[in-house]
Amino acid sequence: SQKIEQNSEALNIQEGKTATLTCNYTNYSPAYLQWYRQDPGRGPVFLLLIRENEKEKRKERLKVTFDTTLKQSLFHITASQPADSATYLCALLTGGGNKLTFGTGTQLKVEL
Amino acid sequence: NAGVMQNPRHLVRRRGQEARLRCSPMKGHSHVYWYRQLPEEGLKFMVYLQKENIIDESGMPKERFSAEFPKEGPSILRIQQVVRGDSAAYFCASSPHEADMNTEAFFGQGTRLTVV
Repeated sequence: SQKIEQNSEALNIQEGKTATLTCNYTNYSPAYLQWYRQDPGRGPVFLLLIRENEKEKRKERLKVTFDTTLKQSLFHITASQPADSATYLCALLTGGGNKLTFGTGTQLKVEL
Repeated sequence: NAGVMQNPRHLVRRRGQEARLRCSPMKGHSHVYWYRQLPEEGLKFMVYLQKENIIDESGMPKERFSAEFPKEGPSILRIQQVVRGDSAAYFCASSPHEADMNTEAFFGQGTRLTVV
């Protein structure tokens, strides 16, 4: 069956450290993978998109990697701050490009 | 340019009543997507609509749920005869046209439906 898996356990890290979140998928062949941030009581907000022919993408303190052989994406936040605390969702474009299918998300908490 | 607007933000319905959730996409966007998020679960795709057309409703329950996106006005997600299991956050997203689902989706703040 098709799955998109993210660590269900919350990730707690210290301010200034690098947070690394994992997204693994099975039985998909996505052309794109996206990462979103969701704060409590709010809608998801787009962060980054990476295409299948891209190994790595950066945006300010964010970095995403995409390994289509391992079927895995890693999402890094460097020099993390308490304001980075949120749930981070990965999403694949599926259904012939009609829809984004989301993982369950990983909650990140950055502590002082 | 206002973002995706959903209303109401919170909706309480008794079992058996109807719930109507509204979504106004961003200006210039003609594609609307509805997602449901249950507590402690991820976002689940429900339906994809263009103006006056349902493109993909593979995530919609077969009964009691319907969606429309008329030529004029917001997209409506309708849930008839609500049950407690319908309690969830319902999110709407929009994009300018189909190809741009490959770039990013713009989400509203959601409607939190509580069935009592």
